[in-house]
Amino acid sequence: GAGVSQTPSNKVTEKGKYVELRCDPISGHTALYWYRQSLGQGPEFLIYFQGTGAADDSGLPNDRFFAVRPEGSVSTLKIQRTERGDSAVYLCASSLSSGKNAGELFFGEGSRLTVL
Amino acid sequence: AQTVTQSQPEMSVQEAETVTLSCTYDTSESDYYLFWYKQPPSRQMILVIRQEAYKQQNATENRFSVNFQKAAKSFSLKISDSQLGDAAMYFCAYISGSRLTFGEGTQLTVNP
Repeated sequence: GAGVSQTPSNKVTEKGKYVELRCDPISGHTALYWYRQSLGQGPEFLIYFQGTGAADDSGLPNDRFFAVRPEGSVSTLKIQRTERGDSAVYLCASSLSSGKNAGELFFGEGSRLTVL
Repeated sequence: AQTVTQSQPEMSVQEAETVTLSCTYDTSESDYYLFWYKQPPSRQMILVIRQEAYKQQNATENRFSVNFQKAAKSFSLKISDSQLGDAAMYFCAYISGSRLTFGEGTQLTVNP
């Protein structure tokens, strides 16, 4: 596709359930990022992939959060035992390269997660 | 740790007028990039303008320009001839390594 695609656009789940959020980056982009944006806040970094490997996962809040990118393209963010505090918009972005040039990130429209 | 601060939660401007959004940052790095992103209600973040720290000349993109004061660690965005389509949340962001750090955002309203 022409841009970064994220699915689902909206997800409502119950506390304690498992959730998967998908990101399809721009073709050819080797770097992929996940951010979390709570209401009224700026996006917060979660994890960054360079190719298939997680180059920096220091932003993941705890071990309930996990992300994969098995073939270096599509990525899935997985949240186990969801809590109400996980409610947020999860943004995915991709870029051609990493490092400071990674500032030219192309973002998707995000997945809004609501945990009841 | 790098921090980015936007002290104006909300700003408003009349159509065709000029508005300036403020941003300050804190870093011990000497080589970094700064950005302004726009986030409309669609949620998609769109890059407005970028500034490389080693360049003294302020970046300009059509109606958007920055005032980069490296010693003061200040990076403001000026929008000239404001248009209704400029209404959005604006985020200042900083990158040194691979992690982009965002400020809290400024909600810009454009009044017709």
